[in-house]
Amino acid sequence: ETVMTQSPATLSVSPGERAILSCRASQSISSDLAWYQQKPGQAPRLLIYGTSSRATDIPARFSGSGSGTEFTLTISSLQSEDFAVYYCQQYHNWPQTFGQGTKVEIK
Amino acid sequence: EMQLVESGGGLVQPGRSLRLSCVASGFTFDDHAMHWVRQAPGKGLEWVSGVTWNSEDIRYVDSVKGRFTISRDNARNSLFLEMTSLNPDDTAFYYCAKGFRGSLITDRFDSWGQGTLVTVSS
Repeated sequence: ETVMTQSPATLSVSPGERAILSCRASQSISSDLAWYQQKPGQAPRLLIYGTSSRATDIPARFSGSGSGTEFTLTISSLQSEDFAVYYCQQYHNWPQTFGQGTKVEIK
Repeated sequence: EMQLVESGGGLVQPGRSLRLSCVASGFTFDDHAMHWVRQAPGKGLEWVSGVTWNSEDIRYVDSVKGRFTISRDNARNSLFLEMTSLNPDDTAFYYCAKGFRGSLITDRFDSWGQGTLVTVSS
C-alpha cells in the first residue's frame, strides 16, 4: 500500500503567519491528493482535492501544490479557526491511505 | 445541504457483533460510492470499507476482511456496516463518508457524518 508521511507532526504558528504542511507518498500518486481539516470533536472536512483544487466554501488562504510524491498545503495567513489537525490522503492507488496528521497549534 | 447521520455504535464485548447504519440526505445517494472510515481515539484516519453505487465493487482493509460486511440500500438512502468478531483494536469512531464519484472505490471523500463511537471492551 501507499504510505503517506506528513511533516511536521506539530506546527506552532502565530495568528496571521503562514503555515506550510508537507505530505510525502511512498510511490507516485499523480495529482490524486486531498487534504482534510479536523477540529476537536468534529468530523474531517475536505479542504483540497486533486492536489490544488479548493473544495466548496473553502477560503482562498488555503492552497495546495505538488505532484508525484511530494505535496504541500499552505495556509497563507492563519486565522483562529484554522488551528486544527490536517490530514493528507492519496486516492490514486488502492487502498486509499491517509497521512498521520499535522497538528497546527497556536504559538 | 448534504447530510450523513450514523447510528448503531456503543459498548460491545470482544467477540460480539454490531451493526452500524448511515442515513444520507441532500444529494442523490445512488450516484455515489459510499465508505466507512474509522479513527481510534486520539489517532489518525483509516479507511475501512467502500461500496460503489450499484454494489458491484466492494472492498475492505485487510484488518477487517472476513469480519465486516458493508452494504447499501439505495431505496432507503442508507449505508450499513455489519461488524462481527469484534476486538479491542476495532475501538474507534466510525465515520460514514461520501465518495465523490459513483463507480470508483478509490476516491476523495467530500462529505462526512459526525461519527459513531464503537468501544470493544469486556
